[in-house]
Amino acid sequence: AQSVSQHNHHVILSEAASLELGCNYSYGGTVNLFWYVQYPGQHLQLLLKYFSGDPLVKGIKGFEAEFIKSKFSFNLRKPSVQWSDTAEYFCAVSPGSGNTGKLIFGQGTTLQVKP
Amino acid sequence: DTGVSQDPRHKITKRGQNVTFRCDPISEHNRLYWYRQTLGQGPEFLTYFQNEAQLEKSRLLSDRFSAERPKGSFSTLEIQRTEQGDSAMYLCASGPRDYNSPLHFGNGTRLTVT
Repeated sequence: AQSVSQHNHHVILSEAASLELGCNYSYGGTVNLFWYVQYPGQHLQLLLKYFSGDPLVKGIKGFEAEFIKSKFSFNLRKPSVQWSDTAEYFCAVSPGSGNTGKLIFGQGTTLQVKP
Repeated sequence: DTGVSQDPRHKITKRGQNVTFRCDPISEHNRLYWYRQTLGQGPEFLTYFQNEAQLEKSRLLSDRFSAERPKGSFSTLEIQRTEQGDSAMYLCASGPRDYNSPLHFGNGTRLTVT
């Protein structure tokens, strides 16, 4: 069965620190990969996505992620976090073939940025 | 883009009662999904509609759960004979015809079963 694993459940950083959130997935075929963010009291929003091409993708608000096919990973990074990045972050996978657009989510990582 | 709208935002019900939630997707979106999210977990897929056709249902969706999208626009999710384990956030998402376009999520309906 397809699954997504996020290594860090709760991360606490100070402003200006660098961020890397791990994400690994289990699926043998072509996948589309996503990171979604949920700010307190708001709905899930897309941060970035990877479908094909350059494995390093850039998203909104200075976030980027790198797809490493050999490691089944899609880690999220940001060089310098801000207090406003405090949120919950979800990695998600959608099978690329026979695609229904269904997303399979990881359990999420809560990021707390201290001012 | 008026966003995905869900109603109600919160629902408190007693065990054994039936509840119904509504989702209004973005108007031009033909794909609609329901997810359930419990505390500390990511959203779990429940069911998927393409227009009015329900094309996929998760094994999580027991016989007490039913979803409809009668005219291919809004959708309803009904839970019969609610149990305390049904307490969760129920999320709706919609997407356009292009399966490579990302989904848009609503704010969810938080269900508490007492």
